[in-house]
Amino acid sequence: QKEVEQNSGPLSVPEGAIASLNCTYSDRGSQSFFWYRQYSGKSPELIMFIYSNGDKEDGRFTAQLNKASQYVSLLIRDSQPSDSATYLCAVNGFSNTDKLIFGTGTRLQVFP
Amino acid sequence: DTEVTQTPKHLVMGMTNKKSLKCEQHMGHRAMYWYKQKAKKPPELMFVYSYEKLSINESVPSRFSPECPNSSLLNLHLHALQPEDSALYLCASSQEARGSTDTQYFGPGTRLTVL
Repeated sequence: QKEVEQNSGPLSVPEGAIASLNCTYSDRGSQSFFWYRQYSGKSPELIMFIYSNGDKEDGRFTAQLNKASQYVSLLIRDSQPSDSATYLCAVNGFSNTDKLIFGTGTRLQVFP
Repeated sequence: DTEVTQTPKHLVMGMTNKKSLKCEQHMGHRAMYWYKQKAKKPPELMFVYSYEKLSINESVPSRFSPECPNSSLLNLHLHALQPEDSALYLCASSQEARGSTDTQYFGPGTRLTVL
């Protein structure tokens, strides 16, 4: 059973702080890792993907992947109240017939 | 352009009705997906079409019937649904590039209420 685990939160951070969202996965064969943001009542929106060990930066967002520890994280710098949403971690295997496995999501609250 | 469109945005139907959800993408993607999402839960995969052929059916009840008329369109036909089928139905598409990162892009969803 392939699993992706996230802390459901809520994770509360003050405006301007760094928010750190974490995700662990069980399948060592996993190759691709995705972070989606989902506002209440809306559909998931792709924030970033990563498939190599290390860091990948895009604006205020940094994804970090450590395959040895089976751990992927998302850092949000200079957090804004508009970042308040649920962040879904999703993991895919090597074969593209593998399903995208979602974590249960972490709810982030950024307060002014 | 990473847009996937879905219609209708909202749908209310009785248990004896027949209705259809529609999804469209013009990104040249060859894989299309239907997901069901209940409140405070992650999306649950229902069906996957790859090159217009059904490749994954996650043991979905037959009251849900998918159809892929061409590479840009995906339908979900609904018949004799139950109130517990009320949920957000999401369509997604991906390039289906074998052996490389295959990123799924979601449409805005259809909010379905079954009375």
